[in-house]
Amino acid sequence: DAKTTQPPSMDCAEGRAANLPCNHSTISGNEYVYWYRQIHSQGPQYIIHGLKNNETNEMASLIITEDRKSSTLILPHATLRDTAVYYCIVRVPRGGAGSYQLTFGKGTKLSVIP
Amino acid sequence: NAGVTQTPKFQVLKTGQSMTLQCAQDMNHNSMYWYRQDPGMGLRLIYYSASEGTTDKGEVPNGYNVSRLNKREFSLRLESAAPSQTSVYFCASLGGGVLQPQHFGDGTRLSIL
Repeated sequence: DAKTTQPPSMDCAEGRAANLPCNHSTISGNEYVYWYRQIHSQGPQYIIHGLKNNETNEMASLIITEDRKSSTLILPHATLRDTAVYYCIVRVPRGGAGSYQLTFGKGTKLSVIP
Repeated sequence: NAGVTQTPKFQVLKTGQSMTLQCAQDMNHNSMYWYRQDPGMGLRLIYYSASEGTTDKGEVPNGYNVSRLNKREFSLRLESAAPSQTSVYFCASLGGGVLQPQHFGDGTRLSIL
């Protein structure tokens, strides 16, 4: 299983872009990178995922390096509500088609500062 | 649209008591999961069910049993609770399509004295 490495914590000023890095140097060619976040004690919330191209949705952008060994989640204009733990996960197929295990590490605790 | 609903939200047990945590999803998802999260840690998979009628062990299954009652419901049972099982328990579901994300409930906070 591909492992991920994230910094334990980061600060970001409100209104600025938050750039959260993730290393996944052993990722396989067919594994996707997923990002989730967990606000306080709520359940994890899906943000975005990608394979090798950059992706953007209403919440964030995902930049994956050409060699796929690392990625960066970008929150373009961070707000106080974005304070959370952010998890970078490499998706490993398990349990047959359509059933995938998510392996959560400790993530990055992002603090958005007023 | 409720998504994934977990009950109860909070529970305190004494060592040795039994309890069942309930999870239901209304998204017609095939796969369901139970995770636990200890303070300062990421989530760890306890059991999962790839489809109705099947269950399988995850990373930390000892001390737990599960039942996939039907497509909507997936329960987690502690037969004889131990203080080491004090944790926050999350249920998740996954729909069809290999790229679909897992959807999580808001958790059950369980304390065992």
